This record gives sequence, structure tokens and C-alpha cells, in this order.
Amino acid sequence: KAGVTQTPRYLIKTRGQQVTLSCSPISGHRSVSWYQQTPGQGLQFLFEYFSETQRNKGNFPGRFSGRQFSNSRSEMNVSTLELGDSALYLCASSLEGAGWEKLFFGSGTQLSVL
Amino acid sequence: QKEVEQNSGPLSVPEGAIASLNCTYSDRGSQSFFWYRQYSGKSPELIMFIYSNGDKEDGRFTAQLNKASQYVSLLIRDSQPSDSATYLCAVNLKAGGTSYGKLTFGQGTILTVHP
Repeated sequence: KAGVTQTPRYLIKTRGQQVTLSCSPISGHRSVSWYQQTPGQGLQFLFEYFSETQRNKGNFPGRFSGRQFSNSRSEMNVSTLELGDSALYLCASSLEGAGWEKLFFGSGTQLSVL
Repeated sequence: QKEVEQNSGPLSVPEGAIASLNCTYSDRGSQSFFWYRQYSGKSPELIMFIYSNGDKEDGRFTAQLNKASQYVSLLIRDSQPSDSATYLCAVNLKAGGTSYGKLTFGQGTILTVHP
């Protein structure tokens, strides 16, 4: 069974640009969550999608947005990039119901903002 | 006080020893607790989960939960150099309403197992 697939693996952008990251969950997983990981703040929750609906959102500014498609694939968008947005962005998928708590992470997208 | 706290380490143990990793959490109502392992440059991997007070064993790993003390730990027996990684404690905190997709992670403990 294929794992969670994230693309691209690396991204370099400049301040003010926008970026879109993609995530394909494990087959059969309909919940997709996004996390930001930095050395200083650790892993922080961005948002969660299920059945094309955002069900939960973390404490990030509105520049961070996402969506989910009918095939459960998800994208995350960051607009007007800032230097502080440099981080590893991790997507995780999980089953519905009580199984949602077992998150399976993708390899991540390493974003560098110059 | 951070919601989920871990000693950042590094924790260094000799090969074959028991490594003990600790985690405390702030929300007494929390019910679900997870341990993830993250190798350098890789993504977190779920290795243990525990819901009830007491011990849960899986191979060389034992998770221990004490809800009264708001404390969860991970023991790694017969530690191997391949266990060298960052270990992240994660909790589904009940405070704050909806929790879908949201685990709250500690900063992680760096474990080094030396031959």
C-alpha cells in the first residue's frame, strides 16, 4: 500500500510570492491534516479536511489556506510568503472515526523563503 | 506551561541499555497519547499509542500512561544504534473543542544510542 505522497519535495521561493503544496493520502484515508514543522516551534497544526470540508483549523494567519478534492487529495496554499514561513510542511492522512488520531505522515515539502 | 512537554535531551544511552523518554501534558481530560519517531531528515512515524492507564508493550517498546499525574513515557529496551532519532510525544488534547486532525506535539527528545 502506497504511503502519503507529497510534492514537491523541495521549494525555494522569495518573499511575497505564493506557493501551492500537494498531498495524496493513503488509499482509503479520507482525512487529511497539514502541519508545519520548524526547529523553534516544532510541529504545529494548520488544518484538517474531510470530505472536501475543513473541519478544524489551527492558529495560523489567513495567508495559509487549503482545500480537498473529491478523491481526498489535498492542496495547501500560502500567499504573500514571509521569511518566517520557511519550514517543513507535513501532510498526514488518517481513517475516519476513532482512527483519525493515528496520523500517517508524508515525507514533507521543505519550503525555503528567501 | 506548554501543553505537551518533553525533555529535549539529548539523551545518550549505550547499546543494549533501556532508554526512558518522558512526556507531561496539561489537559487532564486528554484520552489519547502517541509516540512518533523521527529520523533526521525524515517524517514522523507512529510507533506506539496508548489510551488506558498502565503499560502497553510492543516488541522492545513499552508505553506507560499515568493520567492522574498527566504523564506518559516510552521505554525502549535493548536499545540499538538504529533507535537513534528524535522521539515526539503527541496528545489529543480535549480542551478547546473540535480536535479533528489535531494532535499537539511536544518538542521531541533526541536519543542517541552509542555502540
